[in-house]
Amino acid sequence: AQSVSQHNHHVILSEAASLELGCNYSYGGTVNLFWYVQYPGQHLQLLLKYFSGDPLVKGIKGFEAEFIKSKFSFNLRKPSVQWSDTAEYFCAVNDKADSWGKFQFGAGTQVVVTP
Amino acid sequence: GAGVSQSPRYKVAKRGQDVALRCDPISGHVSLFWYQQALGQGPEFLTYFQNEAQLDKSGLPSDRFFAERPEGSVSTLKIQRTQQEDSAVYLCASSLARVTPGLNVLTFGAGSRLTVL
Repeated sequence: AQSVSQHNHHVILSEAASLELGCNYSYGGTVNLFWYVQYPGQHLQLLLKYFSGDPLVKGIKGFEAEFIKSKFSFNLRKPSVQWSDTAEYFCAVNDKADSWGKFQFGAGTQVVVTP
Repeated sequence: GAGVSQSPRYKVAKRGQDVALRCDPISGHVSLFWYQQALGQGPEFLTYFQNEAQLDKSGLPSDRFFAERPEGSVSTLKIQRTQQEDSAVYLCASSLARVTPGLNVLTFGAGSRLTVL
């Protein structure tokens, strides 16, 4: 069965520290990969996406993610976090062969950035 | 509209009551999805529509859950005889699926938080 696993449920770090959030997926087919972010009190927003091509994807607000096919991973990174990056981050997958795109989400990682 | 609009934002129901949650997707978006997000969890797929057709309802947890999109725009998720385990945030999302099949990006609404007492 298709599944998405996020390694950390909670991460606390200081401003200017580097961030890396792990995401692994289990799926037999070819997938599209996404990171969504939910800031406190706001709705889920797309952070970045990978469909094909360069496995290093750059998103908004200085975030990037690397697709490593051999490891079934799509880890999210940011070299230097800010207090405003405090949010919950969700990795998501959908099947390229599914025209309408049912999404499978991970459980999320709550990130708290302290001043 | 400019975004996906959901109402009510908050709903408190007594166990056994029926509730209806509304979603108004982005104008022109063909696909509409409902997800359930329990506390501390990621969104779980419930059902989706292509225009007015409900193509997949495999995620609906029981026959107490029913969704419709009669005119291919606004959708309603109805929960009958609510139970405490139905307490969750119900998220609606839409996408321009027909334009680029398989390359969908979801735009989410703010969600409807349901608390069943």
